[in-house]
Amino acid sequence: NAGVTQTPKFQVLKTGQSMTLQCAQDMNHEYMSWYRQDPGMGLRLIHYSVGAGITDQGEVPNGYNVSRSTTEDFPLRLLSAAPSQTSVYFCASSRGYGPVDTEAFFGQGTRLTVV
Amino acid sequence: TQLLEQSPQFLSIQEGENLTVYCNSSSVFSSLQWYRQEPGEGPVLLVTVVTGGEVKKLKRLTFQFGDARKDSSLHITAAQPGDTGLYLCAGAEETSGSRLTFGEGTQLTVNP
Repeated sequence: NAGVTQTPKFQVLKTGQSMTLQCAQDMNHEYMSWYRQDPGMGLRLIHYSVGAGITDQGEVPNGYNVSRSTTEDFPLRLLSAAPSQTSVYFCASSRGYGPVDTEAFFGQGTRLTVV
Repeated sequence: TQLLEQSPQFLSIQEGENLTVYCNSSSVFSSLQWYRQEPGEGPVLLVTVVTGGEVKKLKRLTFQFGDARKDSSLHITAAQPGDTGLYLCAGAEETSGSRLTFGEGTQLTVNP
């Protein structure tokens, strides 16, 4: 099993550019989420989805869009990149509800730099 | 969003020493998870605790969930250089079971 696959691993953007971070999982998990990780701040939730066609905002959603057309894929779009979006982005999936069903499987991350 | 406070933020110890990492909240969680993250990788789940007062052991690592399900601790006995990494606690919110709230992380360095 590949688990959760994120692409690309590294990306440099200029301010104002847009891009899409790809995330795919092959575990048939209902729940998928995007986090950003900044030094000293742990993982902060950007957007999440509880199933195909359903998305919702997390703690830091501004500047990002998501969609969930299939169970497997959950892309994250940066609409107009800003230096404050320089971070490491992680996609995660889990089975869904219930204390142990929230156990998250993470991708390897995308290190994004906005100049 | 329920907050999880993790301490200490940084810990540098010698091989063979013991250590404890704490994860505290004023809110109740349905479960609490501990993850370990290595440089350039995503977090990997170590353990999930569900029941108040629960204790789980994973080799030299002991995890405990507080009786009120508001706090947890990770104790490592006789730390080894291979234990070096970022340790993250995460709580599953009672009101929205799928969402995880993460602590800030503890960067552990074990020196040989």
